[in-house]
Amino acid sequence: NAGVTQTPKFQVLKTGQSMTLQCAQDMNHEYMSWYRQDPGMGLRLIHYSVGAGITDQGEVPNGYNVSRSTTEDFPLRLLSAAPSQTSVYFCASTQGGINYGYTFGSGTRLTVV
Amino acid sequence: SQKIEQNSEALNIQEGKTATLTCNYTNYSPAYLQWYRQDPGRGPVFLLLIRENEKEKRKERLKVTFDTTLKQSLFHITASQPADSATYLCALSMDSNYQLIWGAGTKLIIKP
Repeated sequence: NAGVTQTPKFQVLKTGQSMTLQCAQDMNHEYMSWYRQDPGMGLRLIHYSVGAGITDQGEVPNGYNVSRSTTEDFPLRLLSAAPSQTSVYFCASTQGGINYGYTFGSGTRLTVV
Repeated sequence: SQKIEQNSEALNIQEGKTATLTCNYTNYSPAYLQWYRQDPGRGPVFLLLIRENEKEKRKERLKVTFDTTLKQSLFHITASQPADSATYLCALSMDSNYQLIWGAGTKLIIKP
């Protein structure tokens, strides 16, 4: 059981470049989300989805797009990378309900130069 | 303003003792509070969830308390081991909409 798989693990981009961070889960979870983690700060929600075809913005959505065409996949697109987007990005999913936590991927460390 | 505070200083505990981590919040009325463990270079791992109407929850050597009057949750690890060394994160949820608000975490170091 793979859980939540994120690719790539590391990425260096030049300012202005675009890229897609991949996230896939094999647990049939309806809810998926993207977070960024910066030193000294809590995880901040970028975008989330409550099911295929449904996405919404989180706390820090600017500069990022998402789509959810299937239950399994939830890619995050950086439209025009900026140094402020240097961070560690985590994808997470949950089956919901009051007794279930989130399952996280192992993260993508992104550096924008 | 709304805040979640965890001790930013690392907590050093002798092996075998009980480690107690604190999560304080202001201007929230959370329905659920969750605790996660995060190791360097890895994603957070879910440990425990406690609801607003629960005072305490246990899982093996872990215990979480939730005091909505003090606006505080305490996370205890009894009989601590060096393998318990990690950063521990707390997260609040206002209701069942699944969105979490996170503290920055506390680094726990268990010394042999």
